[in-house]
Amino acid sequence: KNQVEQSPQSLIILEGKNCTLQCNYTVSPFSNLRWYKQDTGRGPVSLTIMTFSENTKSNGRYTATLDADTKQSSLHITASQLSDSASYICVVSAQRGSYIPTFGRGTSLIVHP
Amino acid sequence: DAGVIQSPRHEVTEMGQEVTLRCKPISGHNSLFWYRQTMMRGLELLIYFNNNVPIDDSGMPEDRFSAKMPNASFSTLKIQPSEPRDSAVYFCASSLNTQTSGSLDEQFFGPGTRLTVL
Repeated sequence: KNQVEQSPQSLIILEGKNCTLQCNYTVSPFSNLRWYKQDTGRGPVSLTIMTFSENTKSNGRYTATLDADTKQSSLHITASQLSDSASYICVVSAQRGSYIPTFGRGTSLIVHP
Repeated sequence: DAGVIQSPRHEVTEMGQEVTLRCKPISGHNSLFWYRQTMMRGLELLIYFNNNVPIDDSGMPEDRFSAKMPNASFSTLKIQPSEPRDSAVYFCASSLNTQTSGSLDEQFFGPGTRLTVL
């Protein structure tokens, strides 16, 4: 069964600090992994997408890594800001052409001033 | 572009009543997705359409749920009769699907409809 597990479930950090969110998956055959940011009361917005051949991708202060061998991904946030407070959701899709993604439950991040 | 538009934004109804959620995808997008999000289960894909045709509805919880897409610019998700356990946020998303990119297509989500069934 395809599964995506995220950790931690929730995280509280101080503004300006760095943090790393984890995503482990069992989706096979792997096509791509996407990280979404979901602000409270809004729909998810894509941050990055990574395919099998990519192991690092950055989007501003967000850097995603992918280890396809161990089936792990991480999302690193550098110099956190109050606006980073949100839920971060890891989504893994199986094989090209499939529209059925497997969603993680998300990590809730709170950035305190 | 206004993005994906959903209505209503909030819906409160009583158990047994019919509920209809509406979605207008981004103009030009040819794939449309309906999701449900709860604290317990996170985001779940209910059904998706490609070129107005339902492709996979395996995520629809039961016969009380139905979805239609009569044209490229409108879709509905209906629950009849509604139950308290249907309370959730329902999201609609759309994407531009190309034959080659498949699941690489980015989905753009609407703001969601928060449904409360009393």
